[in-house]
Amino acid sequence: DTGVSQDPRHKITKRGQNVTFRCDPISEHNRLYWYRQTLGQGPEFLTYFQNEAQLEKSRLLSDRFSAERPKGSFSTLEIQRTEQGDSAMYLCASSSLSDEQFFGPGTRLTVL
Amino acid sequence: KQEVTQIPAALSVPEGENLVLNCSFTDSAIYNLQWFRQDPGKGLTSLLLIQSSQREQTSGRLNASLDKSSGRSTLYIAASQPGDSATYLCAVVYGGATNKLIFGTGTLLAVQP
Repeated sequence: DTGVSQDPRHKITKRGQNVTFRCDPISEHNRLYWYRQTLGQGPEFLTYFQNEAQLEKSRLLSDRFSAERPKGSFSTLEIQRTEQGDSAMYLCASSSLSDEQFFGPGTRLTVL
Repeated sequence: KQEVTQIPAALSVPEGENLVLNCSFTDSAIYNLQWFRQDPGKGLTSLLLIQSSQREQTSGRLNASLDKSSGRSTLYIAASQPGDSATYLCAVVYGGATNKLIFGTGTLLAVQP
């Protein structure tokens, strides 16, 4: 049973560029979460999918952010027109009916 | 507002010592609580999950307790080792449709050899 994987692990981009991150959850986990973590802080919830349906979005998720989970498998998180304040670690987690959330290694975004 | 607080923010202990990390939450109506470990620059590793109906969970040298009425959880680490050095995060779920985690800011643990 492979864990949650995320790609890329690191991304450096210039302000104003668009970036896209991918998350592959543990197989058969129908719940998928995106969180964002800045230095010295705990992760903050961004959005939640149950299968392919996006059921909740945080107010942190401005209109520059969009997430998808086509076919209820992998998920993508896109940030358009990146800003320096978007620099953070983006974490993906998945869970099944057991409620325990399992996290991936994260994607570290640096916006120059 | 539902908040999670972890005290202390940082802790340094000699190898072999038993230690306790604390987590408090403002709203006692939690659904479950999860403890995680995070190594520098890495993702989170789940350590223990306690459902609201449970009072404690154990895994190896780790024991987590939950007292909903007082809004507290503790993570007890027995016979600490240098490999235990990491940031420990507590997170609560208040139920609802999403089961999203609300995290504390963590306790940075250093175990000195």
